[in-house]
Amino acid sequence: AQKVTQAQTEISVVEKEDVTLDCVYETRDTTYYLFWYKQPPSGELVFLIRRNSFDEQNEISGRYSWNFQKSTSSFNFTITASQVVDSAVYFCALIIYSGAGSYQLTFGKGTKLSVIP
Amino acid sequence: DTGVSQDPRHKITKRGQNVTFRCDPISEHNRLYWYRQTLGQGPEFLTYFQNEAQLEKSRLLSDRFSAERPKGSFSTLEIQRTEQGDSAMYLCASSLGGGADTQYFGPGTRLTVL
Repeated sequence: AQKVTQAQTEISVVEKEDVTLDCVYETRDTTYYLFWYKQPPSGELVFLIRRNSFDEQNEISGRYSWNFQKSTSSFNFTITASQVVDSAVYFCALIIYSGAGSYQLTFGKGTKLSVIP
Repeated sequence: DTGVSQDPRHKITKRGQNVTFRCDPISEHNRLYWYRQTLGQGPEFLTYFQNEAQLEKSRLLSDRFSAERPKGSFSTLEIQRTEQGDSAMYLCASSLGGGADTQYFGPGTRLTVL
Protein backbone atom coordinates (compact mmCIF):
# COMPACT_ATOMS: atom_id res chain seq x y z
CA ALA A 1 0.00 0.00 0.00
CA GLN A 2 1.12 3.53 -0.63
CA LYS A 3 1.95 5.99 2.11
CA VAL A 4 3.01 9.62 2.42
CA THR A 5 4.91 10.87 5.46
CA GLN A 6 5.26 14.50 6.39
CA ALA A 7 7.36 14.34 9.54
CA GLN A 8 7.11 18.04 10.31
CA THR A 9 3.80 18.70 12.02
CA GLU A 10 4.30 22.42 12.53
CA ILE A 11 6.95 24.91 11.44
CA SER A 12 7.30 28.56 12.39
CA VAL A 13 9.54 30.96 10.52
CA VAL A 14 10.06 34.68 10.51
CA GLU A 15 9.01 36.49 7.38
CA LYS A 16 11.62 36.47 4.60
CA GLU A 17 13.25 33.30 5.87
CA ASP A 18 13.46 30.28 3.57
CA VAL A 19 11.66 27.13 4.65
CA THR A 20 11.65 23.55 3.37
CA LEU A 21 8.76 21.18 3.89
CA ASP A 22 9.69 17.51 3.76
CA CYS A 23 7.73 14.73 2.08
CA VAL A 24 8.65 11.05 1.92
CA TYR A 25 6.50 8.57 0.04
CA GLU A 26 6.19 4.82 -0.27
CA THR A 27 4.79 2.90 -3.21
CA ARG A 28 5.54 -0.30 -5.07
CA ASP A 29 4.38 1.14 -8.36
CA THR A 30 6.87 2.43 -10.87
CA THR A 31 4.33 4.85 -12.31
CA TYR A 32 2.95 7.36 -9.87
CA TYR A 33 2.31 11.06 -9.46
CA LEU A 34 3.16 13.40 -6.64
CA PHE A 35 1.33 16.56 -5.68
CA TRP A 36 1.51 19.43 -3.26
CA TYR A 37 -1.60 21.25 -2.10
CA LYS A 38 -1.97 24.29 0.13
CA GLN A 39 -4.85 24.59 2.60
CA PRO A 40 -5.21 28.12 3.97
CA PRO A 41 -7.42 28.81 7.00
CA SER A 42 -10.44 29.13 4.70
CA GLY A 43 -10.20 25.37 4.18
CA GLU A 44 -10.08 25.02 0.41
CA LEU A 45 -7.26 22.86 -0.94
CA VAL A 46 -5.29 24.76 -3.56
CA PHE A 47 -3.28 22.81 -6.12
CA LEU A 48 0.41 23.78 -6.31
CA ILE A 49 2.27 21.20 -8.38
CA ARG A 50 2.01 17.80 -10.06
CA ARG A 51 5.04 15.66 -10.87
CA ASN A 52 5.20 12.21 -12.45
CA SER A 53 7.64 9.49 -11.43
CA PHE A 54 9.58 9.67 -14.68
CA ASP A 55 10.41 13.32 -14.39
CA GLU A 56 13.02 14.03 -11.75
CA GLN A 57 13.75 17.55 -12.85
CA ASN A 58 13.41 20.08 -10.10
CA GLU A 59 10.92 22.85 -10.66
CA ILE A 60 10.82 26.47 -9.68
CA SER A 61 7.77 28.70 -9.76
CA GLY A 62 8.39 32.13 -8.36
CA ARG A 63 9.29 31.74 -4.70
CA TYR A 64 8.35 28.06 -4.73
CA SER A 65 10.65 25.21 -5.69
CA TRP A 66 10.38 21.45 -5.53
CA ASN A 67 13.10 18.84 -5.23
CA PHE A 68 12.15 15.32 -6.37
CA GLN A 69 14.61 12.52 -5.57
CA LYS A 70 13.54 8.97 -6.41
CA SER A 71 16.63 7.54 -4.73
CA THR A 72 15.36 8.72 -1.36
CA SER A 73 11.62 8.68 -2.24
CA SER A 74 11.35 12.33 -1.35
CA PHE A 75 9.54 15.28 -2.86
CA ASN A 76 10.46 18.34 -0.80
CA PHE A 77 9.00 21.81 -1.14
CA THR A 78 10.93 25.02 -0.48
CA ILE A 79 9.49 28.49 -0.08
CA THR A 80 12.06 31.24 -0.54
CA ALA A 81 11.66 34.56 1.24
CA SER A 82 8.51 33.45 3.03
CA GLN A 83 5.57 35.81 3.45
CA VAL A 84 2.71 35.96 5.91
CA VAL A 85 0.34 34.86 3.12
CA ASP A 86 2.23 31.58 2.94
CA SER A 87 0.82 30.62 6.34
CA ALA A 88 -1.26 27.50 5.74
CA VAL A 89 -1.25 23.74 6.02
CA TYR A 90 0.64 22.12 3.17
CA PHE A 91 -0.14 18.60 2.04
CA CYS A 92 1.97 16.26 -0.01
CA ALA A 93 0.00 13.59 -1.87
CA LEU A 94 0.61 10.53 -4.00
CA ILE A 95 -1.63 9.16 -6.71
CA ILE A 96 -1.55 5.76 -8.34
CA TYR A 97 -4.07 3.87 -10.35
CA SER A 98 -6.24 1.94 -7.90
CA GLY A 99 -6.98 -0.93 -10.27
CA ALA A 100 -10.71 -0.43 -9.71
CA GLY A 101 -11.06 2.58 -11.94
CA SER A 102 -9.99 5.51 -9.84
CA TYR A 103 -6.92 7.60 -9.25
CA GLN A 104 -7.12 8.23 -5.54
CA LEU A 105 -5.01 10.78 -3.80
CA THR A 106 -3.21 9.50 -0.72
CA PHE A 107 -2.34 12.46 1.49
CA GLY A 108 0.20 12.97 4.21
CA LYS A 109 -0.95 14.47 7.50
CA GLY A 110 0.19 17.91 6.46
CA THR A 111 2.65 20.47 7.75
CA LYS A 112 1.28 23.62 9.32
CA LEU A 113 3.45 26.58 8.36
CA SER A 114 3.24 29.80 10.34
CA VAL A 115 5.07 32.81 8.97
CA ILE A 116 5.57 35.43 11.64
CA PRO A 117 5.79 39.07 10.55
CA ASP B 1 -14.13 28.82 -15.45
CA THR B 2 -15.76 28.68 -12.08
CA GLY B 3 -14.24 26.28 -9.61
CA VAL B 4 -15.76 23.39 -7.72
CA SER B 5 -18.59 24.53 -5.49
CA GLN B 6 -20.10 22.81 -2.49
CA ASP B 7 -23.25 23.46 -0.55
CA PRO B 8 -23.78 23.97 2.30
CA ARG B 9 -20.47 25.20 3.65
CA HIS B 10 -21.43 24.34 7.19
CA LYS B 11 -23.97 21.93 8.61
CA ILE B 12 -24.82 21.32 12.24
CA THR B 13 -27.12 18.42 12.95
CA LYS B 14 -28.23 16.23 15.80
CA ARG B 15 -27.19 12.62 16.05
CA GLY B 16 -29.54 10.37 14.17
CA GLN B 17 -30.59 12.92 11.58
CA ASN B 18 -29.97 12.58 7.86
CA VAL B 19 -27.89 15.12 5.96
CA THR B 20 -27.20 15.69 2.28
CA PHE B 21 -24.37 17.63 0.70
CA ARG B 22 -24.07 18.83 -2.86
CA CYS B 23 -21.05 19.25 -5.10
CA ASP B 24 -20.93 21.01 -8.46
CA PRO B 25 -17.74 20.14 -10.33
CA ILE B 26 -15.91 22.28 -12.84
CA SER B 27 -17.89 22.14 -16.05
CA GLU B 28 -16.72 19.45 -18.49
CA HIS B 29 -14.88 17.58 -15.74
CA ASN B 30 -16.10 14.02 -15.98
CA ARG B 31 -14.42 12.69 -12.86
CA LEU B 32 -15.66 13.52 -9.39
CA TYR B 33 -14.24 12.46 -6.04
CA TRP B 34 -15.42 12.73 -2.45
CA TYR B 35 -12.93 12.88 0.42
CA ARG B 36 -13.30 13.27 4.18
CA GLN B 37 -10.91 15.24 6.36
CA THR B 38 -10.85 15.11 10.13
CA LEU B 39 -8.97 17.54 12.34
CA GLY B 40 -5.22 17.33 12.00
CA GLN B 41 -5.35 14.76 9.22
CA GLY B 42 -5.06 14.77 5.47
CA PRO B 43 -8.12 14.09 3.34
CA GLU B 44 -9.12 10.45 2.89
CA PHE B 45 -10.76 9.03 -0.21
CA LEU B 46 -14.43 8.08 0.03
CA THR B 47 -15.76 7.48 -3.48
CA TYR B 48 -15.28 8.19 -7.17
CA PHE B 49 -17.51 8.83 -10.17
CA GLN B 50 -16.67 8.66 -13.83
CA ASN B 51 -19.53 10.58 -15.39
CA GLU B 52 -22.64 9.13 -13.71
CA ALA B 53 -21.07 5.79 -12.80
CA GLN B 54 -19.83 5.26 -9.27
CA LEU B 55 -16.76 3.15 -9.92
CA GLU B 56 -15.18 2.84 -6.52
CA LYS B 57 -16.05 3.15 -2.87
CA SER B 58 -13.69 3.18 0.08
CA ARG B 59 -14.26 0.87 3.02
CA LEU B 60 -14.60 4.11 4.98
CA LEU B 61 -17.96 4.53 3.27
CA SER B 62 -20.32 2.64 5.54
CA ASP B 63 -23.83 1.58 4.58
CA ARG B 64 -25.13 4.82 6.05
CA PHE B 65 -23.39 6.76 3.29
CA SER B 66 -24.67 7.00 -0.25
CA ALA B 67 -23.51 9.10 -3.15
CA GLU B 68 -25.06 9.83 -6.51
CA ARG B 69 -24.17 11.73 -9.62
CA PRO B 70 -27.26 11.79 -11.81
CA LYS B 71 -26.62 12.80 -15.41
CA GLY B 72 -22.92 13.05 -14.71
CA SER B 73 -23.06 16.62 -13.51
CA PHE B 74 -23.49 17.55 -9.83
CA SER B 75 -23.15 14.97 -7.09
CA THR B 76 -24.80 14.46 -3.72
CA LEU B 77 -23.47 12.72 -0.64
CA GLU B 78 -26.04 11.61 1.91
CA ILE B 79 -25.35 10.41 5.40
CA GLN B 80 -28.18 8.64 7.16
CA ARG B 81 -28.55 8.35 10.92
CA THR B 82 -25.57 10.57 11.56
CA GLU B 83 -23.16 9.73 14.37
CA GLN B 84 -20.74 11.99 16.22
CA GLY B 85 -17.87 10.24 14.45
CA ASP B 86 -19.19 11.58 11.15
CA SER B 87 -18.15 15.10 12.17
CA ALA B 88 -15.57 16.13 9.60
CA MET B 89 -14.92 18.26 6.53
CA TYR B 90 -16.33 16.66 3.40
CA LEU B 91 -14.39 17.66 0.32
CA CYS B 92 -15.34 17.26 -3.30
CA ALA B 93 -12.84 17.30 -6.14
CA SER B 94 -13.15 17.07 -9.90
CA SER B 95 -10.80 16.37 -12.74
CA LEU B 96 -11.00 16.44 -16.49
CA GLY B 97 -10.27 12.77 -16.99
CA GLY B 98 -7.20 11.29 -18.59
CA GLY B 99 -4.90 9.29 -16.41
CA ALA B 100 -3.80 10.67 -13.09
CA ASP B 101 -4.84 14.20 -13.87
CA THR B 102 -4.96 17.00 -11.34
CA GLN B 103 -7.90 17.04 -8.96
CA TYR B 104 -9.30 20.45 -8.10
CA PHE B 105 -11.04 20.79 -4.77
CA GLY B 106 -14.07 22.67 -3.60
CA PRO B 107 -14.25 24.64 -0.33
CA GLY B 108 -15.72 21.70 1.56
CA THR B 109 -18.73 21.16 3.79
CA ARG B 110 -17.98 21.12 7.49
CA LEU B 111 -20.33 18.77 9.31
CA THR B 112 -20.81 18.91 13.06
CA VAL B 113 -22.91 16.20 14.65
CA LEU B 114 -24.10 17.05 18.15
